[in-house]
This record gives sequence, structure tokens and C-alpha cells, in this order.
Amino acid sequence: EVQVVESGGGLVQPGRSLRLSCTASGFTFGDYAMSWFRQAPGKGLEWVGFIRRKVYGGTTEYAASVKGRFTISRDDSKSIAYLQMNSLKTEDTAVYYCTRVHSSSPESWGQGTLVTVSS
Amino acid sequence: DIQMTQSPSSLSASVGDRVTITCRASQSISSSLNWYQQKPGKAPQLLIYAASSLQSGVPSRFSGSGSGTDFTLTISSLQPEDFATYYCQQSYSTPWTFGPGTKVDIK
Repeated sequence: EVQVVESGGGLVQPGRSLRLSCTASGFTFGDYAMSWFRQAPGKGLEWVGFIRRKVYGGTTEYAASVKGRFTISRDDSKSIAYLQMNSLKTEDTAVYYCTRVHSSSPESWGQGTLVTVSS
Repeated sequence: DIQMTQSPSSLSASVGDRVTITCRASQSISSSLNWYQQKPGKAPQLLIYAASSLQSGVPSRFSGSGSGTDFTLTISSLQPEDFATYYCQQSYSTPWTFGPGTKVDIK
């Protein structure tokens, strides 16, 4: 069974950093791009960014709202994708979701992890 | 950035009704359009990818159509478990963008 599980969320002060992990199972992790999304409380869905497969250079793309502050990386040997979040702002408060990407379609969403940025 | 709009923003329907939700892109996105269902407190679930392809495990009462700028999600016979919020999302170009959602509730 294909599964992705996010972890690492919590309460953090503005300006601080947090790293989220996305642990995958049930598929060959290195064969897929991985993407992060978020959803602020009571709001709609927002794309955060994605990381391509190593065969495509493992390059990344980001939303303008997080570019320069957030970094996505991957460890194919551990089947984990990471979201490093620096210089956090209160508006980054959201549930963060990780997904497997197949043919540009985000499928197999995790249950999400809540990040609360507050003093 | 490509802007996505949805209509209606909400609708009330009865079990057994045929429901249609429309999504429009601000420029042509070919068939790079996905549909999701989200229930309260749960992660989104991919229903339709590439505008009209049914994701594995999704009931056949869900269907998608369209290309270019105009797309439609149809639920042929609404079931109790279908009451949820539905989002469209374009993956034609980054930044990937979502519609604001359509909430389907019980009449």
C-alpha cells in the first residue's frame, strides 16, 4: 500500500526554523517527484513546492510566498522528503501535506502535520 | 500565475442528484487539470487527473471533462459520502494553483 506520513510539526516562534519530514512506503521512492502543500485554518489549498526525481537532477520549484525561506530535499536511500522552513512567519501557520507526484498529478496525500507559528 | 476559478462556491443537493461543478483557468492549461475531494479534518483525495482520467479506486459516478480553459466535474448520482468540498488544481505550469473550492452540502 502506498503511504506517505508527515511529521515534525508543532508550535514555533516567528523567525525560527522547523524541519518537516515525509516518510514514504509501498513504492520505489526514487521513481517519483514529491511535493508539499499547505492549508491554513479554514482556508483553501496552497502549493508550497516540489522536488524532481534524481534522474531529472533532483531540482526544486517553490511558490513565491516561500521561495528563499523554504527548502525541499530528499534522501532516496531512506525514502524521506524534507521541508526545511526558515524565517517562519505567522502566515505560515497551516497543515502541511506531502504527496507523491505522478505525471504532474499529486496523488497519495499524507494525513498532514500542523505547524503553528506564534509568539 | 494562472488563476483558477470555480462555480458555484457552494451548492445544496439531495442524495441521487446529478451535480456539476465548473472550473475555469485564466489561460489555456491543455488537459493539466486535477480534481480533489476534501472532507473536514481530512487530507484531500485525488479524484480526477489530466482533466478526465479517473484515479484508481474512485467510484465511477465521478467524471471529469474539458480542456483549454473550461473544465467540469460531474457526480452522476450523489451519495451520502460525497458531501464535501471539491477543488480543481492546474499542473500546467508552476506555481501550481487551486480553485477556491466548491462546498457540496445536504439539501
